[in-house]
Amino acid sequence: GENVEQHPSTLSVQEGDSAVIKCTYSDSASNYFPWYKQELGKRPQLIIDIRSNVGEKKDQRIAVTLNKTAKHFSLHITETQPEDSAVYFCAASLNYGGSQGNLIFGKGTKLSVKP
Amino acid sequence: SAVISQKPSRDICQRGTSLTIQCQVDSQVTMMFWYRQQPGQSLTLIATANQGSEATYESGFVIDKFPISRPNLTFSTLTVSNMSPEDSSIYLCVVAGGWLGTDTQYFGPGTRLTVL
Repeated sequence: GENVEQHPSTLSVQEGDSAVIKCTYSDSASNYFPWYKQELGKRPQLIIDIRSNVGEKKDQRIAVTLNKTAKHFSLHITETQPEDSAVYFCAASLNYGGSQGNLIFGKGTKLSVKP
Repeated sequence: SAVISQKPSRDICQRGTSLTIQCQVDSQVTMMFWYRQQPGQSLTLIATANQGSEATYESGFVIDKFPISRPNLTFSTLTVSNMSPEDSSIYLCVVAGGWLGTDTQYFGPGTRLTVL
């Protein structure tokens, strides 16, 4: 089955710097890769996702890149702000024919942005 | 996105008892999943709740311990049976499909369970 590895487990940056979180997956059939942000005591919230037919996607300060050959995808946050501090999870799934496969999550990255 | 509610939001239970968690969505969805998040850990899929048929369980989870119902496209329940302290966790309902589109999965607010 699918296995998702996520690095680093913790990341500390200065406000205004960039943050990069990397994930690798094992199942080449996986075709959907979302990123979730979880603030303390709250539910995970989808922040960006990418499908396997796209190499890069950007939404304001957040971008995700996907390398299907190497089976890895990354989250990039630019101009970090203290409110970006949270745990970030990557995930992978196989979605087909309008059906959603279950998400396999990485272990999470705790991002701390220091003012 | 969908409005997803879970009941109860939290509970403290005694060892050996059972708790049923409800998940209600404000629109019909294709898929409903149940995840567990142990303290400080990642998210682990327990099972996929299938409408009108038995749930599909992941390795390490069994129906006797985590019976699941899904009577329609907007509602599901997860029961944690014969609880032990190791079951202390946040249980999350996740939904996808239908009105929500083809890929995105949305999390419910979670149920924080503490077993003494």
